[in-house]
Amino acid sequence: GDSVTQMEGPVTLSEEAFLTINCTYTATGYPSLFWYVQYPGEGLQLLLKATKADDKGSNKGFEATYRKETTSFHLEKGSVQVSDSAVYFCALTPNNYGQNFVFGPGTRLSVLP
Amino acid sequence: DAGITQSPRHKVTETGTPVTLRCHQTENHRYMYWYRQDPGHGLRLIHYSYGVKDTDKGEVSDGYSVSRSKTEDFLLTLESATSSQTSVYFCAIMRAGGEYEQYFGPGTRLTVT
Repeated sequence: GDSVTQMEGPVTLSEEAFLTINCTYTATGYPSLFWYVQYPGEGLQLLLKATKADDKGSNKGFEATYRKETTSFHLEKGSVQVSDSAVYFCALTPNNYGQNFVFGPGTRLSVLP
Repeated sequence: DAGITQSPRHKVTETGTPVTLRCHQTENHRYMYWYRQDPGHGLRLIHYSYGVKDTDKGEVSDGYSVSRSKTEDFLLTLESATSSQTSVYFCAIMRAGGEYEQYFGPGTRLTVT
């Protein structure tokens, strides 16, 4: 079945450091890919998405590129801030409307001042 | 903000008691979902609904039932709560338009003692 694998955390960085969180997936067909962010005590928020190969999703300084050849969707940010501390989830849906959304286990990011 | 509320936000209950969690949305979205979030597992789909009285099982549906008698409300019931159902439960909606984006409620933390 479809699955998502994320790098294990926690990830601890200093403010203004470069961030990469790796995500790889297994899916048949052409899934849509997402990154969600969860701040303490809150629900998940959609951070960015990509719906086809070579698409780049971006939002709030975060970027991720849909790489079909490597089945990857790595999250990057050039300069993290303390306010970016959260748990980040990679997810996919096989685009069979309303059905299977698959989430990775999440990667906790802590940014130190 | 997709106008999603969940109630209660926190609940402690005893093993063997029935529990109902409510998800309410204000934007008349057709698709609604119930997930549970556990450390190391990310989010796992319990049940989803694709319309009033139309529901289907997800990955971890055993021990749970759902009902949707109105577009705006999606109820999750634990018929006889067990300690393994201690978790954080999230409701989500999916907006129409082919983008497959999900939006989440704030969550309900359930403890079964």
